[in-house]
Amino acid sequence: GESVGLHLPTLSVQEGDNSIINCAYSNSASDYFIWYKQESGKGPQFIIDIRSNMDKRQGQRVTVLLNKTVKHLSLQIAATQPGDSAVYFCAEIGGGGSNYKLTFGKGTLLTVNP
Amino acid sequence: EPEVTQTPSHQVTQMGQEVILRCVPISNHLYFYWYRQILGQKVEFLVSFYNNEISEKSEIFDDQFSVERPDGSNFTLKIRSTKLEDSAMYFCASGDSYSYEQYFGPGTRLTVT
Repeated sequence: GESVGLHLPTLSVQEGDNSIINCAYSNSASDYFIWYKQESGKGPQFIIDIRSNMDKRQGQRVTVLLNKTVKHLSLQIAATQPGDSAVYFCAEIGGGGSNYKLTFGKGTLLTVNP
Repeated sequence: EPEVTQTPSHQVTQMGQEVILRCVPISNHLYFYWYRQILGQKVEFLVSFYNNEISEKSEIFDDQFSVERPDGSNFTLKIRSTKLEDSAMYFCASGDSYSYEQYFGPGTRLTVT
């Protein structure tokens, strides 16, 4: 069945370092992927998205890479800041007949040490 | 910046009671969603709503659940007879017709005792 999962449940980095959060998906028909950030006590916040016909997309301090061959998605955060500490979820849309239902992965807790 | 709002922020109820969770989506959005997150777990899709009807629902969304858009601004989730396992954070989200992006509210923490 469809599933979106994360390789690592926790990641701890030093302030200023680059962070890489990984995600694996199993549904090759997925056509749209999104990274969400969830701070404690808040709802998921959109970070960046990528369509399945792309390999890379860059935003402000963030880059998402998509490797369809191995069904792998990653989020790179440059110069990680304490405010980046949160749980990061990958999510996918499509591939199951539904245009807009989000299927979330389990989440990675990113901790940024000052 | 427009945002999705939800009330209440925390709801405590006894098992078997009915609860209504309320959401005000972003005003020009047409797609509405409910998700839930059991403590420490991933966010799970419950239901999507478009054009005044349910467009998709998950296995979790059984006959005890219902959604309604009673007026032009509110979007509600009703659980008719709550169970202990309904305890979770419930998130409302909305989206427009131009992108896949969904905007989430801050959530309602439901505690069933």
